[in-house]
Amino acid sequence: GAVVSQHPSWVICKSGTSVKIECRSLDFQATTMFWYRQFPKQSLMLMATSNEGSKATYEQGVEKDKFLINHASLTLSTLTVTSAHPEDSSFYICSAHGLAETYEQYFGPGTRLTVT
Amino acid sequence: GQNIDQPTEMTATEGAIVQINCTYQTSGFNGLFWYQQHAGEAPTFLSYNVLDGLEEKGRSSSFLSRSKGYSYLLLKELQMKDSASYLCAVMDSNYQLIWGAGTKLIIKP
Repeated sequence: GAVVSQHPSWVICKSGTSVKIECRSLDFQATTMFWYRQFPKQSLMLMATSNEGSKATYEQGVEKDKFLINHASLTLSTLTVTSAHPEDSSFYICSAHGLAETYEQYFGPGTRLTVT
Repeated sequence: GQNIDQPTEMTATEGAIVQINCTYQTSGFNGLFWYQQHAGEAPTFLSYNVLDGLEEKGRSSSFLSRSKGYSYLLLKELQMKDSASYLCAVMDSNYQLIWGAGTKLIIKP
């Protein structure tokens, strides 16, 4: 149980375009979803926390107008990278937690974004 | 500020035992997690400690001392597939995960 999927797994886009990444909890209801970014050889950087039905909470330094997060249901959150630039190229990972016992976060497989 | 420290890289031999240490300073504590991450993949859960002591699961064990702000992950009977980064993360008083930079473990035959 506790499977999280992400789509697409990789995407290449041109500079200036927008890209949407979906994160789904397949077999549980995710009350909270997290979006991370990871640059090569670096640790995970939390970008934002989203709760179903409310606005996402962004970490300091993350532009909320550039990284649009929507958590419209208990099983789906989306991250849209607007007007992407090459420096946005990174590994984007979502995680979800909905199990109260250990607060464990279940991670999606990640999305590799390359902006050319 | 909040801080998680773990070694950047470690090397061990196949079949041996390795201990990866993690020290932390956080605002509050609601548990410590260890995750394994292979290159290009998302992290996978290894262990969770919220009380002092040792938790054992298969070839891995995780230890926690809250008074010392210290944890370690012990991996036994190392296999080549154990080559990965190991991430230590602490959940603070706001139930937010604070991540260490990860320890890259290299297993040699």
